[in-house]
Amino acid sequence: AQSVTQLGSHVSVSEGALVLLRCNYSSSVPPYLFWYVQYPNQGLQLLLKYTTGATLVKGINGFEAEFKKSETSFHLTKPSAHMSDAAEYFCAVSTNTGNQFYFGTGTSLTVIP
Amino acid sequence: NAGVMQNPRHLVRRRGQEARLRCSPMKGHSHVYWYRQLPEEGLKFMVYLQKENIIDESGMPKERFSAEFPKEGPSILRIQQVVRGDSAAYFCASSLGGEGNSPLHFGNGTRLTVT
Repeated sequence: AQSVTQLGSHVSVSEGALVLLRCNYSSSVPPYLFWYVQYPNQGLQLLLKYTTGATLVKGINGFEAEFKKSETSFHLTKPSAHMSDAAEYFCAVSTNTGNQFYFGTGTSLTVIP
Repeated sequence: NAGVMQNPRHLVRRRGQEARLRCSPMKGHSHVYWYRQLPEEGLKFMVYLQKENIIDESGMPKERFSAEFPKEGPSILRIQQVVRGDSAAYFCASSLGGEGNSPLHFGNGTRLTVT
């Protein structure tokens, strides 16, 4: 079975500071990993994904994430936070069997001016 | 190039009534997923469907909830005899399917309020 753990349900950073949102996964087979962002009263929007190949993946809005198999992690980073980054962020895992997606409980990002 | 379309955006029902939530997947997508989200909680998987088939309904309550994805038309999530605890945001997502590396695309959700 697969699962995702997001450490820190709430993260606050100052505008311009580094954003680091943590995601650890559990999977008995090679995982596919995703980060989504949700703005208030909207659906989830795909930020980036890792399937195969390069372990550092770049997404929209300046975000990137690195797949580290040895640490079973897929942390999301952005060098400089912007006020518009304030939102809820979800990490998700799937595999090549079953087409099932498992989501973390989300991290709410607050950006302080 | 429409994305996933959900309607209605907001739905108010009295206790005991039925709620019908509709989802039209992205063009070319044949896999549909329904999730429920409560305030301050994450996404809870409910059901995964392909055209005319329920693939995984392990997250669906055993009573009052049902889902379908007919050959023609949108996917429907149906809640019979709603109770206050059913109040939540319900999100639909679709994908191309394949080997699980095709990401989910989400609609903007239906916010159900039971009075």
